[in-house]
Amino acid sequence: DTGVSQNPRHKITKRGQNVTFRCDPISEHNRLYWYRQTLGQGPEFLTYFQNEAQLEKSRLLSDRFSAERPKGSFSTLEIQRTEQGDSAMYLCASSFLQGLNTEAFFGQGTRLTVV
Amino acid sequence: AQSVTQLDSHVSVSEGTPVLLRCNYSSSYSPSLFWYVQHPNKGLQLLLKYTSAATLVKGINGFEAEFKKSETSFHLTKPSAHMSDAAEYFCVVTRPFGNEKLTFGTGTRLTIIP
Repeated sequence: DTGVSQNPRHKITKRGQNVTFRCDPISEHNRLYWYRQTLGQGPEFLTYFQNEAQLEKSRLLSDRFSAERPKGSFSTLEIQRTEQGDSAMYLCASSFLQGLNTEAFFGQGTRLTVV
Repeated sequence: AQSVTQLDSHVSVSEGTPVLLRCNYSSSYSPSLFWYVQHPNKGLQLLLKYTSAATLVKGINGFEAEFKKSETSFHLTKPSAHMSDAAEYFCVVTRPFGNEKLTFGTGTRLTIIP
C-alpha cells in the first residue's frame, strides 16, 4: 500500500498520560500536514512540514503538543499530559508541491480517546 | 483570511435523484477550492478541485461543481444519486502558492434513501 499510513488507528489513554502518533507519508512527498477532527466538525489545521522544517503551527497547537519530522520522512505528533478535550481524530496528509496541482492525500487517522 | 460555509449539515435524497450540496466561500485572494468525501472508517478522498482554470469542474464518480465568483459559491452536484454516495462531504478552501493548508467546512452528511 503506497498511501499515507497512520499508527495506531485507535488509542485510549488516561488523562495526564503522554501519547505519540506516527504518520508515514507517501514517499517523495515533501509536505506533511497534521489536522484534528472532532465529532461533527471538519478537520482543523494543526501544523505542517516542508521536508524536515516545521513551517507553521496553528494556535490550536498548545505547548503540550509537539510534532517532528526527522529527515523529512515520517512524522510524529506527541501530546503531553493529555486532557479530555484532546479526544479527537488526528489526521495526517501529505502532498508534493508542484504549482496549482497539489493534491493532499490523507491517512485514515488516529482516533484518540482520553478517559 | 479564508473560510467556507456549508449551508446544509444533512441532506437526504432518494436513489436516482439529483444531489446538491451547497458551499459558499470567503477569501481575500483567488482561492483554490476542493470537495472531499469521507466514508466511515476511511480516509478523506478528493472528489474534485478548482484551481482557476475552467469554472465547471468534473470529478470522480459523476460529481461536478461550478465555481461562481459573483456568488462566492462552489456547489457540488450529481445528476443521479447512488447508494454508495452516502458519506460526509467537505468543502475546502486553500490559498494557492502559499502554505496550502486546507480550511474545511463543517461537512454535509448525505443520506441516500432506497
